[in-house]
Amino acid sequence: DIQLTQSPSFLTASVGDRVTITCRASQSISRYVNWYQQKPGKAPKFLIFGVSNLRSGVPSRFSGSGSGTDFTLTISSLQPEDFATYYCQQSYSIPYTFGQGTELDMK
Amino acid sequence: QVQLQESGPGLVKPSETLSLTCVVSGDSIATSYWWTWVRQPPGKGLEWIGEIYYSGDTNYNPSLKTRVTLSVDRSKNQFSLRLSSVTAADTAVYFCARNSQTIVGAPADWGQGTRVTVSS
Repeated sequence: DIQLTQSPSFLTASVGDRVTITCRASQSISRYVNWYQQKPGKAPKFLIFGVSNLRSGVPSRFSGSGSGTDFTLTISSLQPEDFATYYCQQSYSIPYTFGQGTELDMK
Repeated sequence: QVQLQESGPGLVKPSETLSLTCVVSGDSIATSYWWTWVRQPPGKGLEWIGEIYYSGDTNYNPSLKTRVTLSVDRSKNQFSLRLSSVTAADTAVYFCARNSQTIVGAPADWGQGTRVTVSS
C-alpha cells in the first residue's frame, strides 16, 4: 500500500495567515493526489483533484502543487470557515489511501 | 444535485455481519460513476473500503477483501456494503460517496455518514 504522510499533524494559525500543508507519498503517485476538508461531525468535502485542480465552487484561496512524491495544499489567506482537518488522498493505485490528516486550529 | 444517504443498524454484535445501504437521489446510479465506501474510526483518519460500478464491477481494499461485499441495486437506485465477522475494530462512521468523473478513485459527493458500533 502507498503510505501518505502529512505534515504537520497539527497547525495553529490566525485569520488572514497563509498556511501550507505537505503530503509525502511512499512512492511516486504521478499527479493522482486529491485533497479533502473535514469539519467535526461532517463528511469530508472534496476540494482539489489531480494535484492542483479546484473543484467547482471551491474558493481560489485554496491551491495545490507538487509532483511525484511531494505535494502541498496552500490556503493563501485563512478565513474563519477554513479551520478544519485536511486530508490528502492518493488515487494512483488500489487500495486508495489517505494521509493521517492535518488539524488546522485557530490561534 | 446528487444526494446520498446511508442507512443501517447502529449496533452490530461481534462476529456478525454489518449491512449498510446508500440510497442515491438526484441522479441515476446507472451512470458512468463509481460508487465508494469509506470509513472513519472514532477520532481517527479515513480508510477506503472499496468501490463499485453500476455494472457490478468492484475494487476492494485488500485488508478487508475477505470480509467485504459491495453490491448495487439499480431498481432501487442504491448500493450496499456487507462486512462479515465484525470486531470492535470495525466500529466507525461509514460514508458512501459518488466518485469524481474527472479523476479516478476520488470520492467527490458524500453522504452524511452513519455511525456503527460493534459491541455485544
